[in-house]
Amino acid sequence: EIVLTQSPGTLSLSPGERATLSCRASQSVSSNYLAWYQQKPGQAPRLLIYGTSSRAPGIPDRFSGSGSGTDFTLTISRLEPEDFAVYYCQQYGNSPSTFGGGTKVEIK
Amino acid sequence: QVQLQESGPGLVKPSETLSLTCVVSGYSSSSAYYWGWIRQPPGKGLEWIGSIYHSGSTFYNPSLKSRVTISIDTSKNQFSLKLSSVTAADTAVYYCASQRSIYSYMDVWGKGTTVTVSS
Repeated sequence: EIVLTQSPGTLSLSPGERATLSCRASQSVSSNYLAWYQQKPGQAPRLLIYGTSSRAPGIPDRFSGSGSGTDFTLTISRLEPEDFAVYYCQQYGNSPSTFGGGTKVEIK
Repeated sequence: QVQLQESGPGLVKPSETLSLTCVVSGYSSSSAYYWGWIRQPPGKGLEWIGSIYHSGSTFYNPSLKSRVTISIDTSKNQFSLKLSSVTAADTAVYYCASQRSIYSYMDVWGKGTTVTVSS
């Protein structure tokens, strides 16, 4: 199975700053089928990005995804207070689908 | 708008079978969608358990395949998860979710239900 490694484990930033989150796969992700989710405490994950770079309905354009093959990035251009959360990547191009360990974006 | 709601016992004894149900509203479970289960142990990441198509075709994570059964009841618009021979390692929040295909992201999630395995 494909192992996804997210870095950093924790990102300490201030509102208004840019956040760059990395997701690295142990082997190439088929068709770049890579998604990103946001999870806040006590809540279910929420889909942000699918297909590496397509935003889910209702997701603000400050969220963007990029990458290909084994290296993927989620960028939040300017952090809003509601963006502080844990972010997970998921590959769904190869079975079994797998998730990364998460990156926590916390207020500095 | 699809909505999903998990239900089931919050406490299961070791070696017993965990059983959960996910009720689908706002969409027919007999439509061409896949319906999946994902879990999250306390303080840890997410693990895909398996998914089912409306026709009843199932797809399981090989790491859990020997203990997992997912079924669907389209007449009740719900699908279910059974996980046998549970141990403390199966303690987690269990989510149900919808997928457009087996090779797809999870676009709608239930709120999750906590299951603790303890005697």
